[in-house]
Amino acid sequence: QKEVEQNSGPLSVPEGAIASLNCTYSDRGSQSFFWYRQYSGKSPELIMSIYSNGDKEDGRFTAQLNKASQYVSLLIRDSQPSDSATYLCAVDEGGGADGLTFGKGTHLIIQP
Amino acid sequence: DGGITQSPKYLFRKEGQNVTLSCEQNLNHDAMYWYRQDPGQGLRLIYYSQIVNDFQKGDIAEGYSVSREKKESFPLTVTSAQKNPTAFYLCASSSMDRGNQPQHFGDGTRLSIL
Repeated sequence: QKEVEQNSGPLSVPEGAIASLNCTYSDRGSQSFFWYRQYSGKSPELIMSIYSNGDKEDGRFTAQLNKASQYVSLLIRDSQPSDSATYLCAVDEGGGADGLTFGKGTHLIIQP
Repeated sequence: DGGITQSPKYLFRKEGQNVTLSCEQNLNHDAMYWYRQDPGQGLRLIYYSQIVNDFQKGDIAEGYSVSREKKESFPLTVTSAQKNPTAFYLCASSSMDRGNQPQHFGDGTRLSIL
């Protein structure tokens, strides 16, 4: 059974601080990793994708991947109240457009 | 604008009734997907399709059916066999060029039982 694990939170972070979100996955053959942001009542929005070990930065967001440890993380720098949302980690084990496995998400609260 | 359109936004089903959720995309994506999300849960894959006239079962296909007669359209039918249909249904699509492309989602349909 493929599994993607996330701490459900809530994770509370002061405005302006760094928010760190973590995700582990069970399938060692996984190839693609995605972070989605989901506001309450809305659909998920892609914010980062990462495919190889190391860090990938995009604006205030940094995704980190460690395939040996089966671990992927998302860092949000200079956190803003608008970053308050649920963050979903998704993993593509197949590499061939055959669907993603999602974690249950981490609820992030940025405190003004 | 290019995107994924799901309709209706809200849908109510009576006992024993089949209902169909619409999903249309104009992104020229080959692959399309249906997911279900229950409160406080992640998304679970129902069905997916990588090419017209072909589709595959996901993790929770029982009680659902799909068709893919056109590249742009991937409707989902929730049949009366699905005993717990109340959920948020999300349609997604992705390109299959260069492999491992991210999926993008429509706005979703909320289905409830009357």
